[in-house]
Amino acid sequence: NAGVTQTPKFRVLKTGQSMTLLCAQDMNHEYMYWYRQDPGMGLRLIHYSVGEGTTAKGEVPDGYNVSRLKKQNFLLGLESAAPSQTSVYFCASSSPFPPQGTDTQYFGPGTRLTVL
Amino acid sequence: AQSVTQLGSHVSVSEGALVLLRCNYSSSVPPYLFWYVQYPNQGLQLLLKYTSAATLVKGINGFEAEFKKSETSFHLTKPSAHMSDAAEYFCAVSSTNDYKLSFGAGTTVTVRA
Repeated sequence: NAGVTQTPKFRVLKTGQSMTLLCAQDMNHEYMYWYRQDPGMGLRLIHYSVGEGTTAKGEVPDGYNVSRLKKQNFLLGLESAAPSQTSVYFCASSSPFPPQGTDTQYFGPGTRLTVL
Repeated sequence: AQSVTQLGSHVSVSEGALVLLRCNYSSSVPPYLFWYVQYPNQGLQLLLKYTSAATLVKGINGFEAEFKKSETSFHLTKPSAHMSDAAEYFCAVSSTNDYKLSFGAGTTVTVRA
């Protein structure tokens, strides 16, 4: 099992450009999440999904969109990148079913995004 | 609403010394509590979790944490630090009826030889 994978690992954008980050999981998890990590602020939830075709806003959703067309994939889009979106982005997944339950999230390795 | 406060953004310990990382939470319903570790340039890895069973929870790599409801705390300890423990540690909380995690700001641990 690869677990949770993220593509790309690094990216540099200019202000106003768009991009899509891809998250894939091979654990058949129902729930998927996107976080951003900034120094001194921990991880903050951007958007999440509780199943294929469903998405919901988290704590810091502005400037981002998401889609979950397939159960194993969760895409995070930036339509018009801004320097404030420079961050490390993590995807995670979890399952509501035994034996894992909803309580353990499994994280990908992260994507380091710089917006100039 | 739920939140987590980690006391101390940096902790420095000598190899072989006690590691103590402090975490206090607020939650309006019974909480689930977690400690995650992040090694440089990697994702987060679960160290241990409390889900309303035993209040003293043992995790990987010799870490343990104790849930104290009266103090709303979930401090992480390891009796003897190893160089490989140098990392950033995050405390997180979710509630029994919600699967979203709220993270603390993190504590960076450095281990001196």
